[in-house]
Formats: sequence, C-alpha cells, structure tokens
Amino acid sequence: DAGVIQSPRHEVTEMGQEVTLRCKPISGHNSLFWYRQTMMRGLELLIYFNNNVPIDDSGMPEDRFSAKMPNASFSTLKIQPSEPRDSAVYFCASSWGGADTEAFFGQGTRLTVV
Amino acid sequence: DQQVKQNSPSLSVQEGRISILNCDYTNSMFDYFLWYKKYPAEGPTFLISISSIKDKNEDGRFTVFLNKSAKHLSLHIVPSQPGDSAVYFCAASSYNTDKLIFGTGTRLQVFP
Repeated sequence: DAGVIQSPRHEVTEMGQEVTLRCKPISGHNSLFWYRQTMMRGLELLIYFNNNVPIDDSGMPEDRFSAKMPNASFSTLKIQPSEPRDSAVYFCASSWGGADTEAFFGQGTRLTVV
Repeated sequence: DQQVKQNSPSLSVQEGRISILNCDYTNSMFDYFLWYKKYPAEGPTFLISISSIKDKNEDGRFTVFLNKSAKHLSLHIVPSQPGDSAVYFCAASSYNTDKLIFGTGTRLQVFP
C-alpha cells in the first residue's frame, strides 16, 4: 500500500478563495483524522471519521471549515472563505480503529493564504 | 484546553548520551499513549506506544515510561544519534474512542 495520500502538497491561495484538501486513506482503515499543525498548538485534531461517519468535529475552528468522507477511500477538508490565519500544514491520518492502534499520517498539505 | 502537554519546545543532546523527552496529560480517561517522530516536510511516523496497564515499554534504543499517578510519560533514547534529530510528539487516547490527542511537540537536536 502506498500509505495515506494527500493532495496537493502545497497550496497558495488568496484570501477569500475556497480551498479543498484531499486525502486517500490506507485501504482497509476505518478511521480517518484531519489534523492541523501550528507552532502554538502542535498537532490539533480538527475532525475524525469512523466508517465514513463524522464522530467528533469539535476541533473544527469555525463554520468556514467543513469535511466530508463520501466513501471509505476519500475525504476532503474544505475552507471557504480562506483567511491568512488558516495558513498551516494540514495532515490526514488513518487507522484500523480501536483504542490501541496507531494512526498513519500522510505527508501533509502546506497551505498558504495571502 | 491542552489535554496533552509537552512543556519543553526544544532539547539539545550530544551524540551517545541519553535524550529524555517529557509529556504530561490531564485527562484520567486516557489509557493508551504513543510517541511519534516527525522530520521536516514529512508526516509524523509512529515510534513507540504504551498501554496504561504497563509502566514501561522498550523497543531497541527507545523506552517509554508511564507514571499514571503523576499523569506523566517520558521517552528515553539511548544512545542518541544524529539521525534522531526531529520533532517528537506525544499522543494519547482513551479506550472508548479512536480520538488521538497530540501535544505541541519537542524538537530534539543531537549534535556530534
């Protein structure tokens, strides 16, 4: 398996534009996580899905952020409209699920909003 | 509210010596703890974990210690090598959820 695949690797966009980040989890994994890395908060959990269903979205900063998982092999994180303070590295991770399993991370998407 | 805390943002250690990275947590429901390692421009990779029923887990040069009463865990790397230079994240989860909560990370630099 190629691991968790995220696209794009880098995204530069203007303030106010819509941004969509994409993730393909490892085949067979049933939990998917979206994290945002910042200096101040480290790896911040935004939302996680189990069996394609959003379980906890309490980390989503505001209504401008939304995430979907239409099937087991694809998820998106959308920011609309984007703001400069959204600039960060966004990671997607997946796991087999269960409390004692590790998550596998993608390489991340570096988002810059100017 | 930071449930998992890594109070040292950076650590510098000489090659061959021991590196000790610390992590504190506040949620007593956490019962599984993990350490991840992250190189620049890459995603974090799993390093080692420990269940709350243990107080120590060892894997080669890496040992994780858990002190449940103090809500504290630490990662020991012995001997430290220059290739260990990376950011280390502590993470925790509880038995009834897949949710992994991470700390803010500690940047380890191992110098010759």
